[in-house]
Amino acid sequence: DGGITQSPKYLFRKEGQNVTLSCEQNLNHDAMYWYRQDPGQGLRLIYYSQIVNDFQKGDIAEGYSVSREKKESFPLTVTSAQKNPTAFYLCASKGSGDRGPERDNEQFFGPGTRLTVL
Amino acid sequence: AQTVTQSQPEMSVQEAETVTLSCTYDTSENNYYLFWYKQPPSRQMILVIRQEAYKQQNATENRFSVNFQKAAKSFSLKISDSQLGDTAMYFCAFILYNNNDMRFGAGTRLTVKP
Repeated sequence: DGGITQSPKYLFRKEGQNVTLSCEQNLNHDAMYWYRQDPGQGLRLIYYSQIVNDFQKGDIAEGYSVSREKKESFPLTVTSAQKNPTAFYLCASKGSGDRGPERDNEQFFGPGTRLTVL
Repeated sequence: AQTVTQSQPEMSVQEAETVTLSCTYDTSENNYYLFWYKQPPSRQMILVIRQEAYKQQNATENRFSVNFQKAAKSFSLKISDSQLGDTAMYFCAFILYNNNDMRFGAGTRLTVKP
């Protein structure tokens, strides 16, 4: 079955440590995204990547970094510079061009990672 | 910049009844897509329904339908015959055609009561 996987489901980090969240997709999608979700707020875009070896900052990129070395993978690193990293993180991907305009603008989401800073 | 507003933080409905969730958005563009996503307690985001802006006909998916008013920039979701499994957060989302920046509302927490 095609889909998006995120690991781990729960992650605990001590203050001052960097931590990397995994996101993998086998949908053959070009575009991938990272969102942060806080209570009472919608999803806010951290970074997105339209193609391998290319990525763009979203609204709240400070304190985060990403890489896109493979089409299937888009890991997110939460650095010690992120002041309030405790949140729920969602990864998504989007198709491009082979399923019609409606489906190609739809984002598919992974199950999320809950990050807690101790 | 495009913005999406959901003015109802929480709503409740009795099982088998109908409920409507509101969403408004702001854009100066003409070609875009609108979505409603459901996030149950598992926190998995699930697409409920989508609407392409140039289509005048309102989208329908089984018990879910939308009232899309382009001039008013309104995109409400109607859930008919509500079921306990409909209990979730519902997010309205907007994206310009062939763009990567999807904008989400703050969400409406819907509780279906038995």
